[in-house]
Amino acid sequence: DVKVTQSSRYLVKRTGEKVFLECVQDMDHENMFWYRQDPGLGLRLIYFSYDVKMKEKGDIPEGYSVSREKKERFSLILESASTNQTSMYLCASRRTGGPSYEQYFGPGTRLTVT
Amino acid sequence: SQKIEQNSEALNIQEGKTATLTCNYTNYSPAYLQWYRQDPGRGPVFLLLIRENEKEKRKERLKVTFDTTLKQSLFHITASQPADSATYLCALLSGYSTLTFGKGTMLLVSP
Repeated sequence: DVKVTQSSRYLVKRTGEKVFLECVQDMDHENMFWYRQDPGLGLRLIYFSYDVKMKEKGDIPEGYSVSREKKERFSLILESASTNQTSMYLCASRRTGGPSYEQYFGPGTRLTVT
Repeated sequence: SQKIEQNSEALNIQEGKTATLTCNYTNYSPAYLQWYRQDPGRGPVFLLLIRENEKEKRKERLKVTFDTTLKQSLFHITASQPADSATYLCALLSGYSTLTFGKGTMLLVSP
């Protein structure tokens, strides 16, 4: 069974802290994505990666960075957390090509910045 | 600017009826359109993909249509069940094979 796992389901951090959100997939997918989901705003793409050590900005990259040192792992970094980064963070992965371009999502990390 | 619109109000229907959800888009020329289901507190789960040259796609009780002239997709669940209650997201594949999601429509199926 395909699986995308995220390091924490719930996280509480203080303003100014450096925060790491980890995502691991076991499907050997080339592409990985980080989204945030907020009420009324929907899912928005932060960063994505189509290969190891490659990264591309999504629609809302400000305040975030990413790291992809291994194919299966994609990390989202909040360099200095702020309250407006309180959100649900979702990681996804996808195989390059294929019939459906299906994205597989992790369970999400609900981050609260106080 | 590019926009994807889904009904923001929840859709309430009775068990056994057909649920129809709408996804409209502007300033896009998507090659594909996908539908996902999302349950509270969980990540979205892929349901169906329809290509721009396909008018209709079916999977069990699900049916999706795609009208590139109207810039609209309709998502139907026939013989709906309370277990179908969830938020349904449409997503357009464009650009660098990234998805842009609509905000979703919540479906509530009552017994």
